[in-house]
Amino acid sequence: DTAVSQTPKYLVTQMGNDKSIKCEQNLGHDTMYWYKQDSKKFLKIMFSYNNKELIINETVPNRFSPKSPDKAHLNLHINSLELGDSAVYFCASSHLSLRGLTDTQYFGPGTRLTVL
Amino acid sequence: QKEVEQDPGPLSVPEGAIVSLNCTYSNSAFQYFMWYRQYSRKGPELLMYTYSSGNKEDGRFTAQVDKSSKYISLFIRDSQPSDSATYLCAEGGGTSYGKLTFGQGTILTVHP
Repeated sequence: DTAVSQTPKYLVTQMGNDKSIKCEQNLGHDTMYWYKQDSKKFLKIMFSYNNKELIINETVPNRFSPKSPDKAHLNLHINSLELGDSAVYFCASSHLSLRGLTDTQYFGPGTRLTVL
Repeated sequence: QKEVEQDPGPLSVPEGAIVSLNCTYSNSAFQYFMWYRQYSRKGPELLMYTYSSGNKEDGRFTAQVDKSSKYISLFIRDSQPSDSATYLCAEGGGTSYGKLTFGQGTILTVHP
């Protein structure tokens, strides 16, 4: 059984389009994350939700909007796609302690987004 | 200056070599340190997780943390071709809950 799954795995689209990426985890974790990995392999946090509440919101264009319908799902919607949005987007999940420390973050397989 | 600095390599070693991967960090608030391994076109997976200064060993892998120097290392003994991957250091426990700050990753190739 896949622990953290993402759909789609590949996404090729034109500039200006709107697209969504979905993520699901079956690990019973309370916290989910979106990361962006650029062509140089640099992995950077974008958002995090704990029990459906946004707890991390890094400096990301407001064209990116995360949504967590429940603890097991976290989606990412991107409006008006730009060339610079081309990257691999990873979803991850973990438990978060009361002190705000994360256990192991488990990553999904990634969604490779190419904007033409 | 990035919060976490990691030499991206690439690093190429023969099978059986000892590999040393390193990161430096600037944020004194970091409380815990991780090493992730990422195979090509896959998601990162956790290798090592440590809270304190000192060494932690797991099979062929040893993680070393020196909080006074803000320096972390990963050593791989008897490296194998299957160790060929990108290795990412990560630090956490700063000001944002659950946030991990990653280094750029070091691309390692172990050739037979």
